[in-house]
Amino acid sequence: DQQVKQNSPSLSVQEGRISILNCDYTNSMFDYFLWYKKYPAEGPTFLISISSIKDKNEDGRFTVFLNKSAKHLSLHIVPSQPGDSAVYFCAAVLETSGSRLTFGEGTQLTVNP
Amino acid sequence: EPEVTQTPSHQVTQMGQEVILRCVPISNHLYFYWYRQILGQKVEFLVSFYNNEISEKSEIFDDQFSVERPDGSNFTLKIRSTKLEDSAMYFCASRGILNTGELFFGEGSRLTVL
Repeated sequence: DQQVKQNSPSLSVQEGRISILNCDYTNSMFDYFLWYKKYPAEGPTFLISISSIKDKNEDGRFTVFLNKSAKHLSLHIVPSQPGDSAVYFCAAVLETSGSRLTFGEGTQLTVNP
Repeated sequence: EPEVTQTPSHQVTQMGQEVILRCVPISNHLYFYWYRQILGQKVEFLVSFYNNEISEKSEIFDDQFSVERPDGSNFTLKIRSTKLEDSAMYFCASRGILNTGELFFGEGSRLTVL
């Protein structure tokens, strides 16, 4: 199942700089796209989402961009903080599927002080 | 803040044994889920549950798996005869009425099958 793909297994940035995490998808029918954050020994935690009818959603330091023609979304974190170090999962959902999330592989973000 | 709780945090079992993983979803949530993550792989959907019945299940969720909501608070995943490949982290999740994909996940139960 390769419907949602995160091609970068890891990303390292300096504190205060921008982190950009990328995600590609193949199913043009997805209704919502989400980013989850996961710390070790914890479950995924919802971070931010975007509806397929929008191209940008912002929440504090986090902004998600959606490019439907390219079937690509990205998460921008600015400024990055050491506490942001975690695995970030991109996920997508069909409204008709009852919230069955399709996850990407995850990207380990490390923010260095 | 309300949270989803799971027990046990870690279970080690012998191949062929039955395992029950327990979850207490957020109290006013109506939709319940099990996901799993095999080490080094993606988080995968197993099953969704609403109104006391399965609403959707993946190809992973075969006859060895079952779910139950035995009372008003618990939501369980049973694996009838465990296999080595069932070793994974199992996450329970729940949500309220709005279907925007935002699920609340528990901390997971790590299952190790020997």
